[in-house]
Amino acid sequence: DAKTTQPPSMDCAEGRAANLPCNHSTISGNEYVYWYRQIHSQGPQYIIHGLKNNETNEMASLIITEDRKSSTLILPHATLRDTAVYYCIVRVANNAGNMLTFGGGTRLMVKP
Amino acid sequence: EPEVTQTPSHQVTQMGQEVILRCVPISNHLYFYWYRQILGQKVEFLVSFYNNEISEKSEIFDDQFSVERPDGSNFTLKIRSTKLEDSAMYFCASSPGTGGRGANVLTFGAGSRLTVL
Repeated sequence: DAKTTQPPSMDCAEGRAANLPCNHSTISGNEYVYWYRQIHSQGPQYIIHGLKNNETNEMASLIITEDRKSSTLILPHATLRDTAVYYCIVRVANNAGNMLTFGGGTRLMVKP
Repeated sequence: EPEVTQTPSHQVTQMGQEVILRCVPISNHLYFYWYRQILGQKVEFLVSFYNNEISEKSEIFDDQFSVERPDGSNFTLKIRSTKLEDSAMYFCASSPGTGGRGANVLTFGAGSRLTVL
């Protein structure tokens, strides 16, 4: 799986959009970008994933650049409960059973 | 919403003792996983399990570890003789394995905290 690079930490004001970047310059054509988060030592929680088109669900939006070498996770209206470590993971497309490799992630602190 | 259930939430054991951590994956999922997280460190993959056998394992998953699906609902991780460095949070996860776009999405349990004294 391709390596990802994320800033170690970010702050965001409550109610504002949180934009979390991820670089994955060595991504292959058959690799998806997945985002998970971990709130204070709880189990990691799936957020969203995509291949090349932008994706949106009830939790977040995922913007992937046209060359697919980077992406941004957007939490449109961050709340205090969004304070967590966010992991960007690149993984072979729909290869069921492939393990996830967690890096250090970005520690997002949402402040009042 | 379906969830992965893990027991116990916290276990304290003496070094050298055997420990079994239990998990109930989501009922229609086909792939099962164990991860661990030592305090302050990254989440690390241990093992994946499919069709009643290990499909992938990491270097961490040595002979002291074993997994089993003893019945149609439980998935267990056994540590044969615990060491101090086995103290960690252990997460179970499962994924559908089929169904197109969501096939590869892992759902994690809340974790079992193991403390080895």
